[in-house]
Amino acid sequence: QVQLQESGPGLVKPSETLSLTCTVSGYFISSGYSWGWIRQPPGKGLEWIGSIYHTGDPYYSPSLESRVTISMDTSKNQFSLHLSSVTAADTAVYYCARDNVVGPTTWGQGILVTVSS
Amino acid sequence: IVMTQSPATLSVSPGESATLSCRASQSIDINLAWYQQKPGQAPRLLMYGASTRATGIPARFSGSGSGTEFTLTISSLQSEDFAVYYCQQYNNWPPLFTFGPGTKVDIK
Repeated sequence: QVQLQESGPGLVKPSETLSLTCTVSGYFISSGYSWGWIRQPPGKGLEWIGSIYHTGDPYYSPSLESRVTISMDTSKNQFSLHLSSVTAADTAVYYCARDNVVGPTTWGQGILVTVSS
Repeated sequence: IVMTQSPATLSVSPGESATLSCRASQSIDINLAWYQQKPGQAPRLLMYGASTRATGIPARFSGSGSGTEFTLTISSLQSEDFAVYYCQQYNNWPPLFTFGPGTKVDIK
């Protein structure tokens, strides 16, 4: 069964770039589906950030598109999130997920990223 | 498309039923999913296509609606059902997922 695990720094300084990696086991990310990122500020709701097709084509939330890059490394069976020019408002639990057409269906456990100097 | 949910919090006694509402700012046909999230856990997909239960979801969960108005009903609430529920619309093209703000179902 497919499993996803987020990794990356838990603390990022304001104005820097937040970078996270999702390692997938039990399924080759190049075989199908889309692979996405969702975040949740502490005590708040869910926000979809963007996804990447198994073909490598990304698509992003319009509200974050100017700062987001999602890429994949099929040799490592990983996909990554880069969010530039972060502020305190980007502090959140970041989830990676396997998507199908209806949305995220299999989720990682999430990783808390705090933006602070 | 903006998704809204009501009420923000719903207090229900175990064994009773709960009705949660979700509204889209424009028609989304039946392109609506529901998720359940318990404290400290990732969300879990409950429903898609407005009324189709995801794999392993008990029959006490039912969904209805189309266009702009949707409902999730939980009949005979069990202790494990107390959680936050999010609706989410999905767009075929361009691909886009938008979540509602959530409804917290807590114990009365």
